[in-house]
Amino acid sequence: ILNVEQSPQSLHVQEGDSTNFTCSFPSSNFYALHWYRWETAKSPEALFVMTLNGDEKKKGRISATLNTKEGYSYLYIKGSQPEDSATYLCAFRYTGGFKTIFGAGTRLFVKA
Amino acid sequence: DAGVIQSPRHEVTEMGQEVTLRCKPISGHNSLFWYRQTMMRGLELLIYFNNNVPIDDSGMPEDRFSAKMPNASFSTLKIQPSEPRDSAVYFCASSPDWGEQFFGPGTRLTVL
Repeated sequence: ILNVEQSPQSLHVQEGDSTNFTCSFPSSNFYALHWYRWETAKSPEALFVMTLNGDEKKKGRISATLNTKEGYSYLYIKGSQPEDSATYLCAFRYTGGFKTIFGAGTRLFVKA
Repeated sequence: DAGVIQSPRHEVTEMGQEVTLRCKPISGHNSLFWYRQTMMRGLELLIYFNNNVPIDDSGMPEDRFSAKMPNASFSTLKIQPSEPRDSAVYFCASSPDWGEQFFGPGTRLTVL
């Protein structure tokens, strides 16, 4: 059974704090790792698609790293702002079927 | 680009009734996904299509659920008969090849 774990489940930070969360996935049959940002009452929006071991992606204050050999990815937010409050989902796509398995998400609350 | 379009946005029905959810993917995207979001199970993949062909429907919970994609611009998810435990938000997403997925706004289904 393929499992995608995200930690922590939720995180409360102050405006200006930097934060990071983890996505763990199977290290075999790797095809791609996606990060999505999901605001309440909206739809998930893609942040990054990562395919190569050692990949680093950056979009504004948000960045992500990927380690396919050990099966983890980190998402970093520098200088959190209240508008960063959302659920951050990672999704693992594996070879052989191209099915995508989502983690349960990390719920981030940024207090002004 | 209008993005992924789903209808209806909200559906309230009574137990035993047939429910049909509709999705129009982004033009040019050849993969389409149906997801269900619940508090208990998070975001679950129900079925996905590639070039209008169902690839994996192992996430479909029961025979009461069925999905079709008669052409590249339209898909339906049908529940017959509906039950209260089917109440959830149903998302449709599309992607070019096997890249990042673009989600529709979702259909909130309530079965009384």
